[in-house]
Amino acid sequence: GQNIDQPTEMTATEGAIVQINCTYQTSGFNGLFWYQQHAGEAPTFLSYNVLDGLEEKGRFSSFLSRSKGYSYLLLKELQMKDSASYLCAAMDSNYQLIWGAGTKLIIKP
Amino acid sequence: DTGVSQDPRHKITKRGQNVTFRCDPISEHNRLYWYRQTLGQGPEFLTYFQNEAQLEKSRLLSDRFSAERPKGSFSTLEIQRTEQGDSAMYLCASSSNRDVFDTQYFGPGTRLTVL
Repeated sequence: GQNIDQPTEMTATEGAIVQINCTYQTSGFNGLFWYQQHAGEAPTFLSYNVLDGLEEKGRFSSFLSRSKGYSYLLLKELQMKDSASYLCAAMDSNYQLIWGAGTKLIIKP
Repeated sequence: DTGVSQDPRHKITKRGQNVTFRCDPISEHNRLYWYRQTLGQGPEFLTYFQNEAQLEKSRLLSDRFSAERPKGSFSTLEIQRTEQGDSAMYLCASSSNRDVFDTQYFGPGTRLTVL
């Protein structure tokens, strides 16, 4: 079957760094997406990886290892506004997104 | 650049009533998706259009749910004979197969409450 696993909740301190892990199993693979979702709002696109390695975009970076079925999202210099859920989604062979349940990130001052 | 819009933003209905939601995608996007999301869960795929053709529909979707995209632009999602279990956020997303990432962009969602 197809499955995405990510931690349910994480807590970090303002100004620190946090890494949110995601493992996936899909029928075929056409890339890994990360979305941010604030409470009561729609998901917004953060990053996309299809090749192994690290993609950096400002304070946010995303890593992919296709052989391990593993990705992580790295958030640096955490700000209070980063408090949100972070959704990992893998695109399968039919170009459909398989979604994780999301990781709720709590930032403390 | 206008994003994805959805209407209404909130809908409260009584069990057994029919409801219809509308989604207007980003204008140059040819793909349109409907998802359902409940608290603490990721989006659950419902159905997908490329232009006006409905290419995929979740096997989990009952016959009470139907979606259309008649002219390949806006789409409607109808739920007939609503049940309390239908209470959720209904999200619409659009993408373009000309975008190398085929990234999906979401609308603000319609929150449905069935009493």
